[in-house]
Amino acid sequence: EVQLVDSGGGLVQPGGSLRLSCVASGFTLSSYSMNWVRQAPGKGLEWVSHSSASETNIYYADSVKGRFTISRDYAKNSLYLQMNSLRAEDTAVYYCARSREGYNVFDYWGPGTLVTVSS
Amino acid sequence: DIQMTQSPSTLSASVGDRVTITCRASQSISTWLAWYQQKPGKAPKLLIYKASSLETGVPSRFSGSGSGTEFTLTISSLQPEDFATYYCQRYNSYPWTFGQGTKVEIK
Repeated sequence: EVQLVDSGGGLVQPGGSLRLSCVASGFTLSSYSMNWVRQAPGKGLEWVSHSSASETNIYYADSVKGRFTISRDYAKNSLYLQMNSLRAEDTAVYYCARSREGYNVFDYWGPGTLVTVSS
Repeated sequence: DIQMTQSPSTLSASVGDRVTITCRASQSISTWLAWYQQKPGKAPKLLIYKASSLETGVPSRFSGSGSGTEFTLTISSLQPEDFATYYCQRYNSYPWTFGQGTKVEIK
């Protein structure tokens, strides 16, 4: 059974850093593109970052470019999002999501981890 | 960037009703469109991809149609478990963007 479990959220001050993790099971991470998608409280969905299966193509939303870094650890079958220079507007639930093979639609999602940026 | 606009923002309906949600793209996206359902406190769930392909396990009362710039999600007979927020997502090119969502409420 495919499962994604994301973690690492918490309360951080503006300008601080946080690293989110997503452990995948039921499939091999190296075979799939992966993403981070976020949702601010009471708001809609915003795609944040994408890493292709081979990590050849890595993309970021303009709102996080230069501050966030997506990466993988194949030995741990895990995806990460390093978030630096955090701002109040980064406050959101962050979901890791798998891309369906051949399409950039998100067929499996983690339960989400809440990041709160506040002093 | 291509913008996605959903209508209506909120929809009040009764069990058994036929419900239609519209998603419009600011430029043509062919059929590179997906629909998701999200319930409060839960992750979104993929319902439809490539505008009209039903995801495995999704009830057949859900259907999608459209191409180019106008798309619809139809629920043929609304069930109690269908009260949720629905999002469209385009994936023809980076950056992938979502519509603002349509909340389906109990009338």
